[in-house]
Amino acid sequence: GAVVSQHPSWVICKSGTSVKIECRSLDFQATTMFWYRQFPKQSLMLMATSNEGSKATYEQGVEKDKFLINHASLTLSTLTVTSAHPEDSSFYICSAEKVQGSPLHFGNGTRLTVT
Amino acid sequence: GESVGLHLPTLSVQEGDNSIINCAYSNSASDYFIWYKQESGKGPQFIIDIRSNMDKRQGQRVTVLLNKTVKHLSLQIAATQPGDSAVYFCAENPFRGFQKLVFGTGTRLLVSP
Repeated sequence: GAVVSQHPSWVICKSGTSVKIECRSLDFQATTMFWYRQFPKQSLMLMATSNEGSKATYEQGVEKDKFLINHASLTLSTLTVTSAHPEDSSFYICSAEKVQGSPLHFGNGTRLTVT
Repeated sequence: GESVGLHLPTLSVQEGDNSIINCAYSNSASDYFIWYKQESGKGPQFIIDIRSNMDKRQGQRVTVLLNKTVKHLSLQIAATQPGDSAVYFCAENPFRGFQKLVFGTGTRLLVSP
């Protein structure tokens, strides 16, 4: 069964509003989670590394003030897309490492559509 | 920057055939490679992985081959089934001790019954 859960699975919002996406590790603690973005027919691009209890590490070109990441507990990381615009419409996916050195487990993604 | 790329964007096979999906990677420091399968609207699903101290690893109906000399990775699927239809990504980890994956561009596998 799924070990990483994302919520919501899809969301439609109006331009200028903010949207929060949750990523939960279901039966394990994850000190590190990763957030990816995927545009249609493209690959996954790492946006940021979410670290429990500390600031997220953002990849080059990703605006930290626009994509707010909070990793307040060992089982939950949230990504908030602030002041969303249509170009932010994408598939957002999180991942976590269940056992150190093991393959990352991915959530089922959140489809964000900004109108 | 560093990147992982694939040779074939789409691969069409008949049910029962063997499929081979290729991937070229560019970071010689990468020591861990993974193949993921992604079905439409879902997150990537782990298929098989391989570390750089190996050149071949087998799973159930799948085999991954690693050629470090030419920085090439392949995924072989035996007796391909319609349920194997999906997009397949290779991913590499050039960051030792820390799972920060770089994904390839993906290959769509279409299996006809």
